[in-house]
Amino acid sequence: GAVVSQHPSWVICKSGTSVKIECRSLDFQATTMFWYRQFPKQSLMLMATSNEGSKATYEQGVEKDKFLINHASLTLSTLTVTSAHPEDSSFYICSATRQPYEAFFGQGTRLTVV
Amino acid sequence: GESVGLHLPTLSVQEGDNSIINCAYSNSASDYFIWYKQESGKGPQFIIDIRSNMDKRQGQRVTVLLNKTVKHLSLQIAATQPGDSAVYFCAENWNNDMRFGAGTRLTVKP
Repeated sequence: GAVVSQHPSWVICKSGTSVKIECRSLDFQATTMFWYRQFPKQSLMLMATSNEGSKATYEQGVEKDKFLINHASLTLSTLTVTSAHPEDSSFYICSATRQPYEAFFGQGTRLTVV
Repeated sequence: GESVGLHLPTLSVQEGDNSIINCAYSNSASDYFIWYKQESGKGPQFIIDIRSNMDKRQGQRVTVLLNKTVKHLSLQIAATQPGDSAVYFCAENWNNDMRFGAGTRLTVKP
């Protein structure tokens, strides 16, 4: 099956700093990637849809200036949590879609802001 | 800090029994549905999918049933094993937009 690599798998950062999370599709081109956030014991919440070469589409309530998404190539999307605060601590997961419908998930990133 | 949210529904079954996990979806226009398994600290893993023109699909030890009338999806796991313990999510797809259901935690007792 297709592989999506997400890096880092976990990160601890100080409050006020920024953290970048990478999502790569290793063996296919993904025109669309999705970023999800997951709180403990809850479902995955779609944050934004990332389209190669264009601006990301953010879900209602997600601050685009807080969560910067860049989809510079067909195999790489990045999520940058800017000026992170403890309430941003969460599990972030990306997925990449191989047309028409197949979605493959990264391993997830556990972000802890102290 | 972390949000305080609803706890996931839980299902506890005896090893060897069959499990049925249910899911209600929201968009009647959704045309593709997937069940995922998520183990602690990992991303979701694909289990089985079904398109809206079908009402049943079988895999190895798993069966997905789709009832479009009531927007309901179920996952049946035959002869449940300890390795099946995880959180299971359904997802609906419409226009390349995937949304997840609430999830159910399955615990298999030996």
